[in-house]
Amino acid sequence: DVKVTQSSRYLVKRTGEKVFLECVQDMDHENMFWYRQDPGLGLRLIYFSYDVKMKEKGDIPEGYSVSREKKERFSLILESASTNQTSMYLCASRWDAAYNTEAFFGQGTRLTVV
Amino acid sequence: GNSVTQMEGPVTLSEEAFLTINCTYTATGYPSLFWYVQYPGEGLQLLLKATKADDKGSNKGFEATYRKETTSFHLEKGSVQVSDSAVYFCALKGSGAGSYQLTFGKGTKLSVIP
Repeated sequence: DVKVTQSSRYLVKRTGEKVFLECVQDMDHENMFWYRQDPGLGLRLIYFSYDVKMKEKGDIPEGYSVSREKKERFSLILESASTNQTSMYLCASRWDAAYNTEAFFGQGTRLTVV
Repeated sequence: GNSVTQMEGPVTLSEEAFLTINCTYTATGYPSLFWYVQYPGEGLQLLLKATKADDKGSNKGFEATYRKETTSFHLEKGSVQVSDSAVYFCALKGSGAGSYQLTFGKGTKLSVIP
């Protein structure tokens, strides 16, 4: 089974802290994604990566950055956390976009910024 | 750009009732369409998909047919169970070159009562 693992289920951080959310997949997938999920807004794409060291902005990249130094790991960084970044964060990976393959999701990280 | 509109929830049904969750989309070309399900406390998992017009995706008693003429991909199940209680997301992936991301609807929460 494909496994997408997010490093934490729950995080509480203070305003202004630098926050790292880590995601690891074990199936050699090319594409990886970070979404945030908010009630009434569904899933919104923050950033995605289609290969190592490659990244593209999604719909709501402001306040976030990402890093993909190795194929299996995709990190989301909040440079200076703010209360409006309190949310559920979901990581996903997929083998290859061209073949419409299934995207696999991690269990999510619920981040609270106080 | 691409967009997905799905019916607002929450939806509450009695066990063995018929379920329909409406989903319509806006996209150029020939997108692929998906339904994902999120059980409480978990990440999203693929429920079914269809990659071309008139395709029917099916899984676990759920079905959806890709209707290009009405730009719709409605989810149906003939007899729901308590274990179907979850949030359901309609999603699409564009067909153009470089179309990596999935665009999601806002989700529909389904509660099934015994």
